[in-house]
Amino acid sequence: GENVEQHPSTLSVQEGDSAVIKCTYSDSASNYFPWYKQELGKRPQLIIDIRSNVGEKKDQRIAVTLNKTAKHFSLHITETQPEDSAVYFCAPRDNYGQNFVFGPGTRLSVLP
Amino acid sequence: IAGITQAPTSQILAAGRRMTLRCTQDMRHNAMYWYRQDLGLGLRLIHYSNTAGTTGKGEVPDGYSVSRANTDDFPLTLASAVPSQTSVYFCASSPAATYNEQFFGPGTRLTVL
Repeated sequence: GENVEQHPSTLSVQEGDSAVIKCTYSDSASNYFPWYKQELGKRPQLIIDIRSNVGEKKDQRIAVTLNKTAKHFSLHITETQPEDSAVYFCAPRDNYGQNFVFGPGTRLSVLP
Repeated sequence: IAGITQAPTSQILAAGRRMTLRCTQDMRHNAMYWYRQDLGLGLRLIHYSNTAGTTGKGEVPDGYSVSRANTDDFPLTLASAVPSQTSVYFCASSPAATYNEQFFGPGTRLTVL
């Protein structure tokens, strides 16, 4: 089955700095790569995703980059704000919908 | 109803009791999922359903069962609850099993004593 890792497990940055979280996966059949954000006590919500035929996608302060050869994709947050503080999960999935595993999560703290 | 709902919001249950967690969505999504999230940990898939009438086992299916009699509902049953099933349970749905965002319900906090 899919083995998913995230690095780092915790990350603290100063407000205004950038944050990068990396997700590595093992299944070469994975072709859909989402990132979810979960604030304390809330449900996970999708913040950005990318498909395997695209190398990079950007949405305002958030971007995702994909390296299918190396089997990893990364979440980039620029100009971080306190409301970015949350746990972020990657969840690579294959085309058959039967093999999707959430990563262990990265706790991001943005310090004012 | 708008989106995906779960009931109950929270429940304290004696070990050995049977419990059904309810999940309903009104978005006509084909795929639905059940996850558990233990304190400080990630989401683990319990069971999934790619379309009404079909179900499949996820990463941690033991002690749980599901059914998908129609598109909207996907109940999760604990036949005989044990303390290790204490967790927060999230139901999710997506338009299809592939290439699609999962929309999560608000969660059910279950404590088994």
